[in-house]
Amino acid sequence: SAVISQKPSRDICQRGTSLTIQCQVDSQVTMMFWYRQQPGQSLTLIATANQGSEATYESGFVIDKFPISRPNLTFSTLTVSNMSPEDSSIYLCSVVEERGLNQPQHFGDGTRLSIL
Amino acid sequence: DAKTTQPPSMDCAEGRAANLPCNHSTISGNEYVYWYRQIHSQGPQYIIHGLKNNETNEMASLIITEDRKSSTLILPHATLRDTAVYYCIVRLPNFGNEKLTFGTGTRLTIIP
Repeated sequence: SAVISQKPSRDICQRGTSLTIQCQVDSQVTMMFWYRQQPGQSLTLIATANQGSEATYESGFVIDKFPISRPNLTFSTLTVSNMSPEDSSIYLCSVVEERGLNQPQHFGDGTRLSIL
Repeated sequence: DAKTTQPPSMDCAEGRAANLPCNHSTISGNEYVYWYRQIHSQGPQYIIHGLKNNETNEMASLIITEDRKSSTLILPHATLRDTAVYYCIVRLPNFGNEKLTFGTGTRLTIIP
């Protein structure tokens, strides 16, 4: 399966600042997703990163707060903008190598973000 | 996607089989059952999936009842490294339904 690397693995940020998280895959994949995992909670899908077009956001998440880029089939970024302590979470990237065909998702180890 | 219900926590002795149940009584005919686990400080790891037949791979076995309303994930010889949160998810397999909806999962603790 694809190997997924996220950078940074963790960070501590000041409120009001923004941070961009990178997700790099070692092979071309058809789909990339971004999830958030708040402390002690399960994962919630933020958006689907679409190559060459705007990301598809889930209810409760907006582009101004979580801008996403996907310039090619191996790379995506998620920016957490104007951060507040409520944004302290683990942010995870996942990929599907081929659409349909009942392919499982594979996840990176996440970016642990703390906002002071 | 159909919703799933799992016990919040379970313990299992090291070396014994761990049997994790999942209820998915509203599952539709085309939805598959997927299992993932999340070990502390790591991203979720895919374990196994199935439609209606029992499935086995190098990690686990998946037993799905005949009416498909419930399933059981079996870790045949649990080790301490199997301590994790286990998620049961149902979804359609086709194009456009790749995203996953995670429930609260079962926290499995393997006891030495």
